[in-house]
Amino acid sequence: KQEVTQIPAALSVPEGENLVLNCSFTDSAIYNLQWFRQDPGKGLTSLLLIQSSQREQTSGRLNASLDKSSGRSTLYIAASQPGDSATYLCAVGGGGADGLTFGKGTHLIIQP
Amino acid sequence: ETGVTQTPRHLVMGMTNKKSLKCEQHLGHNAMYWYKQSAKKPLELMFVYNFKEQTENNSVPSRFSPECPNSSHLFLHLHTLQPEDSALYLCASSQEPNPYYGYTFGSGTRLTVV
Repeated sequence: KQEVTQIPAALSVPEGENLVLNCSFTDSAIYNLQWFRQDPGKGLTSLLLIQSSQREQTSGRLNASLDKSSGRSTLYIAASQPGDSATYLCAVGGGGADGLTFGKGTHLIIQP
Repeated sequence: ETGVTQTPRHLVMGMTNKKSLKCEQHLGHNAMYWYKQSAKKPLELMFVYNFKEQTENNSVPSRFSPECPNSSHLFLHLHTLQPEDSALYLCASSQEPNPYYGYTFGSGTRLTVV
């Protein structure tokens, strides 16, 4: 059974810092990995999607990497802003309508 | 409307009530999912419908009953719920068997059982 772990569980940093969120998974037989953002009481917004054959994806100030063999992914946020404050969720997909397996998330606070 | 739409956004129901959550996707996907998000726990997959056929039921209590009349609509029928069923219920869709574009989620229904 796939298990996803996210470290740290919570993080508070001053505005402008670069930061890294970590995600690990136990079964490397994944189809893809997706990073989401969730604001309090809201649904999930997809940030980046990495296929199993890819090493990284970038969108603006966000960069996500994937090392499937070691079961790890990182989300790098450059020049953090208060608007980046949210919970960030890592999820791995097995394909074939298996759905996604989620970590518990990293609760991020960017201090103005 | 685009993406995945869920209604209602908020729902308060008594333990003896019967209610339904609705999800509609406008993406042309062929698989739809119900997830439950409780405080301090990861999102839990409840049900999967692939080509309108239920393919997964992760030991969900029978007081939750899904319905998928077509590939664009998904319902979750609720009856005799317990207070511990209070949570955010999220619907998602994908294109299977190879979800190259990932999964798209709705905004969720915040359910409170009193």
